[in-house]
Amino acid sequence: AQTVTQSQPEMSVQEAETVTLSCTYDTSESDYYLFWYKQPPSRQMILVIRQEAYKQQNATENRFSVNFQKAAKSFSLKISDSQLGDAAMYFCAYRSGRETSGSRLTFGEGTQLTVNP
Amino acid sequence: NAGVTQTPKFQVLKTGQSMTLQCAQDMNHEYMSWYRQDPGMGLRLIHYSVGAGITDQGEVPNGYNVSRSTTEDFPLRLLSAAPSQTSVYFCASSRSGPGSGNTIYFGEGSWLTVV
Repeated sequence: AQTVTQSQPEMSVQEAETVTLSCTYDTSESDYYLFWYKQPPSRQMILVIRQEAYKQQNATENRFSVNFQKAAKSFSLKISDSQLGDAAMYFCAYRSGRETSGSRLTFGEGTQLTVNP
Repeated sequence: NAGVTQTPKFQVLKTGQSMTLQCAQDMNHEYMSWYRQDPGMGLRLIHYSVGAGITDQGEVPNGYNVSRSTTEDFPLRLLSAAPSQTSVYFCASSRSGPGSGNTIYFGEGSWLTVV
């Protein structure tokens, strides 16, 4: 079974600064997908960024980028130029590359990000 | 396009009562899942379905029942509610295949309190 670990229950950053959230995972599969989700107080699950394991290039979405280290099984999220609206709970998640994996994700425990003005 | 719709959004139950959380999607997705989110924890998979008539257990299935009679609907039944089932419940769906284009869509969550 796959596991996802987020070792930082809470993080804080000053507005306009950069912050990195950590995530490690354990799997015996070679084909899989990794995700970062943002969950604001409304509890809505918002996809931030996605990484395919077969791609060596790190994914980037505007101010959000990842550092994907496949051998180390590490998948960190970097938020640049942090904004007040970035404050939320962030979840790292894993999905198998198997055809029937569908909407089944394994989540980490989450990191609560605070952005200070 | 409504996406994934969950009802009710809030519910208070007494211990021992039964109820059904409804989940419907209008995207013709084959795959649907139910998760629960407890304080300080990530979402955990309760049950999932890979198509109409096919369901299977996830990580925390005890106390819950599901069925999938249509592609659109995937209800979650609490058979005899317990305080330990107080949680926020999420339904999710995606089309078949795990490819990078297959986005997972989440409902807005259902807050359940069992007293």
